[in-house]
Amino acid sequence: AQTVTQSQPEMSVQEAETVTLSCTYDTSESDYYLFWYKQPPSRQMILVIRQEAYKQQNATENRFSVNFQKAAKSFSLKISDSQLGDAAMYFCAYTEYGGSQGNLIFGKGTKLSVKP
Amino acid sequence: DAGVIQSPRHEVTEMGQEVTLRCKPISGHNSLFWYRQTMMRGLELLIYFNNNVPIDDSGMPEDRFSAKMPNASFSTLKIQPSEPRDSAVYFCASSTGLARDNEQFFGPGTRLTVL
Repeated sequence: AQTVTQSQPEMSVQEAETVTLSCTYDTSESDYYLFWYKQPPSRQMILVIRQEAYKQQNATENRFSVNFQKAAKSFSLKISDSQLGDAAMYFCAYTEYGGSQGNLIFGKGTKLSVKP
Repeated sequence: DAGVIQSPRHEVTEMGQEVTLRCKPISGHNSLFWYRQTMMRGLELLIYFNNNVPIDDSGMPEDRFSAKMPNASFSTLKIQPSEPRDSAVYFCASSTGLARDNEQFFGPGTRLTVL
């Protein structure tokens, strides 16, 4: 069964600095999607960035970028120029190409604090 | 667009009572997902629908849980009878389809407390 592991329960970063959140996953599939979701204190789940496994180029969305290492099954999120509004829980998620296409599998999350 | 709407936002009930959570997906979305979030288990998919038809309910923990989607704009998740271990935040999400690249849009969640 596919699993998603986030080994850092909590992280802290100084405002304007850069922070990297780690995520590893386990799958026997070759084609799949990976996501990072943000959950602020409001509880709203917000998609931050997504990566297609067959694309070698790392996805980037403004200050957010990923380091996708397919062989290592690693998918880390880098937040540059951290802002106070980035403080939230961050969840890494996986879904496979075929089969249960609707099934998003989430990691346990990393709580990010941003210090002014 | 109002986004995914869930009601109630908070529910406190006593053990043994029936609980019904409601969800209105984004108009035009034909896939709907119910998730449960707890500290111990994180976010888990309970069930999802495509075009109002349940596709996979393998995540539903017990027969006490049931979900329906009578039309494209409404879904319910019912727990009967409720137990304290059902206390969690329940999220509803919708997307335009089941393709793996379709973004799921989440509602604000319902925080359920069973005493």
